[in-house]
Amino acid sequence: GAVVSQHPSRVICKSGTSVKIECRSLDFQATTMFWYRQFPKQSLMLMATSNEGSKATYEQGVEKDKFLINHASLTLSTLTVTSAHPEDSSFYICSARVAPDGRFTNYGYTFGSGTRLTVV
Amino acid sequence: DAKTTQPPSMDCAEGRAANLPCNHSTISGNEYVYWYRQIHSQGPQYIIHGLKNNETNEMASLIITEDRKSSTLILPHATLRDTAVYYCIARRTGNQFYFGTGTSLTVIP
Repeated sequence: GAVVSQHPSRVICKSGTSVKIECRSLDFQATTMFWYRQFPKQSLMLMATSNEGSKATYEQGVEKDKFLINHASLTLSTLTVTSAHPEDSSFYICSARVAPDGRFTNYGYTFGSGTRLTVV
Repeated sequence: DAKTTQPPSMDCAEGRAANLPCNHSTISGNEYVYWYRQIHSQGPQYIIHGLKNNETNEMASLIITEDRKSSTLILPHATLRDTAVYYCIARRTGNQFYFGTGTSLTVIP
């Protein structure tokens, strides 16, 4: 089935540094990927929609200059948290518009395993 | 997309059916009902979706009321590995997935 691979699974960084999170589609091409953020004991919040070859679309209230999204190829989208601060510590998850069986779909998305970011 | 309401938590005995309700009283005719679950510290996993007919797959069954204002996800024989947060989402095709607070299901041995 379709797999969305996310790396790293955990990262600890110092305040003020930048962190890059990668999201790869294995065995399929993803023209669109989505990035979510989840704080402890809260639900997932959609941050942005990443489109291959074009600028990402950000949800209201998400700072595009702080959360840089690049989708330069059909198999890789990256989220860079710039000048990270402790309040950016969260669980970041990407997803692709593909069903678990690998078919492109508008009906169900496949999610990555997430990245736990801790800023100290 | 329509707002959904779910109980914050539920318990279920291992081996018994888990019935998770969801209210979506303002759902429109072209909005599907989706169910995802999230096991602790993992990405969400698709379970099932439907429009108006009941649906069944290898994981679960989805029962949608005739007026489509509510639905129930049924896990026929709950196991400890089914302990997770279950999200019910009403979504129009092509829109993004916006997650609510979900139901935290605990399967008890």
